[in-house]
Amino acid sequence: AQSVTQPDIHITVSEGASLELRCNYSYGATPYLFWYVQSPGQGLQLLLKYFSGDTLVQGIKGFEAEFKRSQSSFNLRKPSVHWSDAAEYFCAVAPSGNTPLVFGKGTRLSVIA
Amino acid sequence: DTAVSQTPKYLVTQMGNDKSIKCEQNLGHDTMYWYKQDSKKFLKIMFSYNNKELIINETVPNRFSPKSPDKAHLNLHINSLELGDSAVYFCASSPTRDQPQHFGDGTRLSIL
Repeated sequence: AQSVTQPDIHITVSEGASLELRCNYSYGATPYLFWYVQSPGQGLQLLLKYFSGDTLVQGIKGFEAEFKRSQSSFNLRKPSVHWSDAAEYFCAVAPSGNTPLVFGKGTRLSVIA
Repeated sequence: DTAVSQTPKYLVTQMGNDKSIKCEQNLGHDTMYWYKQDSKKFLKIMFSYNNKELIINETVPNRFSPKSPDKAHLNLHINSLELGDSAVYFCASSPTRDQPQHFGDGTRLSIL
């Protein structure tokens, strides 16, 4: 079955440390890939997207993600985490441009001093 | 200015009642969506409209009926509410079907 997997339910990092959130998908072709962030009580905000081209994409708030076709992965990274980055992070996939987004179950990020 | 706005933000009601959630976007987008986020934060598409026409209708009970009076609005009406309908409902919009989506802040529906 087609799916999006975020293996880590909850991650805790120290402020200033680097961060990597994992996302794997199971689709035949290269889908459209997204990372969204949800702060408590808020809607989802798009961090970055990958449609085609350069496999390393830059997003807002200092985030980047790398698409690796061989691993069917689209991991999100940030070199230095800030306390305000504490939130829920969702990886999402659209098998093609005209299909609905399928979300992973999310990874909750906690940031400690 | 709020890009995608939903009302109400909170909705508490009893089982069996009928309620509506409104959504408006001022981005000029053609496509609008409704998602349901359950208590475990899992997000699932419910409906999608493109230029007022229904294009996606996932497996959702027919107690849920979306209505799009124009392409800037997509309302969600729910009949005979059940306990399992308790969730956060998100409206979203995108310029076209293959562009990233902008989300509203959600409506938290609690069924007593």
